[in-house]
Amino acid sequence: KAGVTQTPRYLIKTRGQQVTLSCSPISGHRSVSWYQQTPGQGLQFLFEYFSETQRNKGNFPGRFSGRQFSNSRSEMNVSTLELGDSALYLCASSLDAGTSGYEQYFGPGTRLTVT
Amino acid sequence: AQSVTQLDSQVPVFEEAPVELRCNYSSSVSVYLFWYVQYPNQGLQLLLKYLSGSTLVKGINGFEAEFNKSQTSFHLRKPSVHISDTAEYFCAVSEDNAGKSTFGDGTTLTVKP
Repeated sequence: KAGVTQTPRYLIKTRGQQVTLSCSPISGHRSVSWYQQTPGQGLQFLFEYFSETQRNKGNFPGRFSGRQFSNSRSEMNVSTLELGDSALYLCASSLDAGTSGYEQYFGPGTRLTVT
Repeated sequence: AQSVTQLDSQVPVFEEAPVELRCNYSSSVSVYLFWYVQYPNQGLQLLLKYLSGSTLVKGINGFEAEFNKSQTSFHLRKPSVHISDTAEYFCAVSEDNAGKSTFGDGTTLTVKP
């Protein structure tokens, strides 16, 4: 099975711009979560989508949003970029919690640099 | 609310020596516990998980962890480390489903020759 893929892998944007990141989960996985990883704050949960609905949300401002499509692919969008948004954005997929698959499978991440 | 504390930010160790990476968690309900490893410029890879049952969990690459409910700990161990084990290790807890996990700050394991 193919793993979790994320595109693009690297991105450079300017303050005030917006950006869209994409994530394709492992086939059959319906849950997709997004995390922000920075040296100062570590790994922080952004949100989780399950069957096209946002099921969990972290403590991030409304500039961070996401969506999930019917094929489980997910996108996250950050509007009005700030320097502090520079980070590695990780996507993770998992099976429905009703099965034995409670672990998350992570993609390689998208490295976003805001200048 | 759940939280995770990894007690050591950096652990240097010589090759073939044993290692223990410590993790304590806080939660008011039953939890699922995980250890992940992250190599430079890569995503996280699951090492092992505790969902229920036996408190000693074996994972990949010779790692194991023991769940201790009374001490709310989930320490990771390996009896003999290799240079290739040099990486950052994250402990994570999830209360209800896998979609929302809380991670510790990570422990950098450096294996020296």
